[in-house]
Formats: sequence, structure tokens, C-alpha cells
Amino acid sequence: EAGVAQSPRYKIIEKRQSVAFWCNPISGHATLYWYQQILGQGPKLLIQFQNNGVVDDSQLPKDRFSAERLKGVDSTLKIQPAKLEDSAVYLCASSSVRTDTQYFGPGTRLTVL
Amino acid sequence: KQEVTQIPAALSVPEGENLVLNCSFTDSAIYNLQWFRQDPGKGLTSLLLIQSSQREQTSGRLNASLDKSSGRSTLYIAASQPGDSATYLCAVTPMNTGFQKLVFGTGTRLLVSP
Repeated sequence: EAGVAQSPRYKIIEKRQSVAFWCNPISGHATLYWYQQILGQGPKLLIQFQNNGVVDDSQLPKDRFSAERLKGVDSTLKIQPAKLEDSAVYLCASSSVRTDTQYFGPGTRLTVL
Repeated sequence: KQEVTQIPAALSVPEGENLVLNCSFTDSAIYNLQWFRQDPGKGLTSLLLIQSSQREQTSGRLNASLDKSSGRSTLYIAASQPGDSATYLCAVTPMNTGFQKLVFGTGTRLLVSP
């Protein structure tokens, strides 16, 4: 079974630029999550989708971050404009509705200069 | 608001030692607690999941315990190996969220020396 795929793996941008990350979850997983992990901290949930609907985006900075999951499969997370404090690893995870286990992708490491 | 704390932040041991990692959480209203492993440049891998009604789970050399009333969990690693070197994260699923939301601790960086 293929795991969660993310791209790109690394991205370096200057502040005020925009950036987008892509995630392809495990086939058949209805729930998809985006986490932000700042160096030295645990992951923090940004947004959770159930199929193509948002169930939790309470910690998403909506003035600059947006996410979508068209057709209930792939998802993109966008930051516009980026700030220095957005430097982090962005992790995507997916789970099926039958279990509590989330499967994580390798993450995208973002550096904002 | 649920907060999860892990102690120690870093741990270095020689190969073969048994060790314990600690996790504490402020709100005992949880569905479950999970321990994850994170290797550099890689995502998280779930090691053990303990439901709120359970006291412990075991997988190979790993044993995780849960004392929900006191807000504590421990991960015991027996006969540590250099391949165990990684960051270990614990996470809880709070009951008041209604979804599979995870609240993570800050992790313990483990280094096992040959």
C-alpha cells in the first residue's frame, strides 16, 4: 500500500512570496490533515478535512493560509504572503473513518528568508 | 485547553540500556493516547495507541502505559539499540473535539550510542 505523498520536499522562499504544498493521501482515506511543525516543537493541526469538507480549521491563520481538497482526494495548502515565522515542516496525514491511526507523509520543509 | 508535556527533552544512553520516556497531559478527558517516532527528514510513524479504557500496550521491545486519572503515560524501551535513535512524540485525542484531532507534546530526542 502506497503511503502519503507530499511535494515538494524542500522549499526556500523570501518573505512576502507565496508558496503551495501538495498532498496525496492513502487511497480510500476519507480524512486528511495538515500540520505545522516548528523546529523543536510538536506538530500543530492547521486544518482537517472529511472527504472534501472542512471539519476543523480553528488554528489555521486564515489571513494568509488557505487549503482545499477538491474531489475529496488530493489537497493543497497555500501560504500568501509568507512570513519568517512560517518556516517549519508542513506534514500531511490521512486516516480512514474506521481507525484512529493517522499515517503521515514525509513533510515539506519550508524556509522563509 | 489540552497541553501535553514530555520529559526529558533529550536523552543519551549506551546501547543495551532500558529507558523510560515520560508524557503528561493536563485534561484527562481523552479518547486515546499515541506514541509516535520521528526520524530526521521523515514523517511520523505510529508506535503504540492506547485507548482511554486501557492501561497499557506492548509491541516488541516497546511498552506504553496510561494512567488517565493522573494525566500520565510512559514509553518503556527495553534493551535499546542504535536504531532506536529518533524523536519520540506522544499525542492525545481530546474528547471535546469530536473528531480525530491530535494534540502533540514537544518530543524527546533519543540517542543510543553503540
